[in-house]
Amino acid sequence: EPEVTQTPSHQVTQMGQEVILRCVPISNHLYFYWYRQILGQKVEFLVSFYNNEISEKSEIFDDQFSVERPDGSNFTLKIRSTKLEDSAMYFCASSDPSLAFPYEQYFGPGTRLTVT
Amino acid sequence: GDSVTQMEGPVTLSEEAFLTINCTYTATGYPSLFWYVQYPGEGLQLLLKATKADDKGSNKGFEATYRKETTSFHLEKGSVQVSDSAVYFCALQGYNFNKFYFGSGTKLNVKP
Repeated sequence: EPEVTQTPSHQVTQMGQEVILRCVPISNHLYFYWYRQILGQKVEFLVSFYNNEISEKSEIFDDQFSVERPDGSNFTLKIRSTKLEDSAMYFCASSDPSLAFPYEQYFGPGTRLTVT
Repeated sequence: GDSVTQMEGPVTLSEEAFLTINCTYTATGYPSLFWYVQYPGEGLQLLLKATKADDKGSNKGFEATYRKETTSFHLEKGSVQVSDSAVYFCALQGYNFNKFYFGSGTKLNVKP
């Protein structure tokens, strides 16, 4: 069964450094998403991406964050200058709205980001 | 705004016990409701869903009924197994299908 994959599974970085989290969505899906979960808190929506542009973003998704689909398979989340509060589990998801409503989102296993 | 609240864990049960994980929501309009499960080292997997009031979603022995009057979508299973040990997330998809609103997750530990 097709699945969303994410790399790396765990990333440790120093405050102020740039990180790129990578995701490979399911191949025929058209919508892509990033969510994050700070330890012990809710899974929060960050951004959705369709047709090579951001379709929606949350208040969390400020200028420090960017997303890109650099080729036909990868979908990346970049954090330009990491802060301690960026430490969280980051989930990538994809969906295919051509399927029947509701539009299920398929999630990857997550990347745990630790900022020291 | 839209939001989901679910019971905190961890929940520890013996095998064959009855499971309830509470989930309540706040939303405008008529959201779709979901339960996702995350097994260790894996992604969030859809467990079940319901799209309108009084719908019952079911899968793998788990059930949840969309109760509009109590704005709830509680997850139940009559007899849990060790293999059900995982984190369970309640989620809502509102008029904007672009994003889900999740609860904080409930970790279930089932002991033999």
